[in-house]
Amino acid sequence: QVQLQESGPGLVKPSGTLSLTCAVSGASISSTNWWSWVRQAPGKGLEWIGDSYHDGNTKYNPSLKSRVTISVDKSKTQFSVTLNSVSAADTAVYYCARTARGNWYFDLWGRGTLVIVSS
Amino acid sequence: DIQMTQSPSTLSASVGDRVTMTCRASQSIVTWLAWYQHKPGKAPKLLIYKASTLESGVPSRFSGSGSGTEFTLTISSLQPDDFATYYCQQYNSYSWTFGQGTKVEIK
Repeated sequence: QVQLQESGPGLVKPSGTLSLTCAVSGASISSTNWWSWVRQAPGKGLEWIGDSYHDGNTKYNPSLKSRVTISVDKSKTQFSVTLNSVSAADTAVYYCARTARGNWYFDLWGRGTLVIVSS
Repeated sequence: DIQMTQSPSTLSASVGDRVTMTCRASQSIVTWLAWYQHKPGKAPKLLIYKASTLESGVPSRFSGSGSGTEFTLTISSLQPDDFATYYCQQYNSYSWTFGQGTKVEIK
């Protein structure tokens, strides 16, 4: 059974860097899937952050593109997201997800991890 | 970006009810639309993709329809496990966008 599990600090200081990792189990991270991050701020809807492929290709939400990096670590079967210069507006539950092969919807999600930006 | 608008934002219903919710796109997305179910503290779950294709393992009481800019998700007979928030997502044009969600609550 394929599973995704997010991990990382739950508290980040304003102007700092948010870094999260998603561990992939039960599937090859070098498959034809893309690997993605989505977030949900308190009381808000879902916001796509970006996608990454095992060959290094990425796609990012234009509203976050200047601050975000998503990468795949094939040796550790995980992928990660870093978001720079965070503010309270980046407080959210962050989900990792798998993009369905050949498509751009998400067929598998992690349970999410809450990240609070506060001093 | 393509804006996705869901209605209603909250829907009160009873077990056994037929429930319908709507998702509208700001421009045509053909049928490149997915629906997800999300419960608090759990991973979102894919229900439907390409507007009307049921994901494997999803009960047949869920159905999707529509094309262009207007789409619906219907639950033919609401079950206790269906009380959740439902989101639509367009994947016609980068960047992918979601609706704000429809929360289905117990009447």
